[in-house]
Amino acid sequence: ETGVTQTPRHLVMGMTNKKSLKCEQHLGHNAMYWYKQSAKKPLELMFVYSLEERVENNSVPSRFSPECPNSSHLFLHLHTLQPEDSALYLCASSQDGLSRQPQHFGDGTRLSIL
Amino acid sequence: AQSVAQPEDQVNVAEGNPLTVKCTYSVSGNPYLFWYVQYPNRGLQFLLKYITGDNLVKGSYGFEAEFNKSQTSFHLKKPSALVSDSALYFCAVRDRDYGGATNKLIFGTGTLLAVQP
Repeated sequence: ETGVTQTPRHLVMGMTNKKSLKCEQHLGHNAMYWYKQSAKKPLELMFVYSLEERVENNSVPSRFSPECPNSSHLFLHLHTLQPEDSALYLCASSQDGLSRQPQHFGDGTRLSIL
Repeated sequence: AQSVAQPEDQVNVAEGNPLTVKCTYSVSGNPYLFWYVQYPNRGLQFLLKYITGDNLVKGSYGFEAEFNKSQTSFHLKKPSALVSDSALYFCAVRDRDYGGATNKLIFGTGTLLAVQP
């Protein structure tokens, strides 16, 4: 149990569908992250939220839309995705301002685009 | 710019033998260094970190890592490998000279450790 829960664990969707990924952390952290993990590529940081405000968006396509309603919850809304978006999407949390502390990861959502 | 290199895509070792997974880094300031492990169908799990002080850091499951500033390396080691250690290992670095969530954790591409019985 990592303290970071992601749902669903697996998602198959067509390119015209709209779906959302959910992340919840029970660690009392105030920063949350979305990462994309593709085979044979470095982990890609997509979005960073600190104190519920987006502080970084690493040039992610607009078909990915994050939402952070409070410090414990993070969503990634998906629409009109492309086949190259198939990947493992990981959520993480940490205590902002404490660079020495590790990030804690959920088990990810395996996304497949048909 | 910060970067991390894991030069080996895969490391093979026999059970009971010592293992080493290599990592080198580049930061403009002083580093915080981390190792994570990822088992199949799971997220990344924190193993150990170097912050300051003793260059030899001990972590979970009998793993340790040695910080070498002159060689800018942070290799992961274990004296005696177990089959259950087989997983994907990631090294990560952060520049410790400023804080905040925008101080990104930069990951390597990962090294697959395969321990044969």
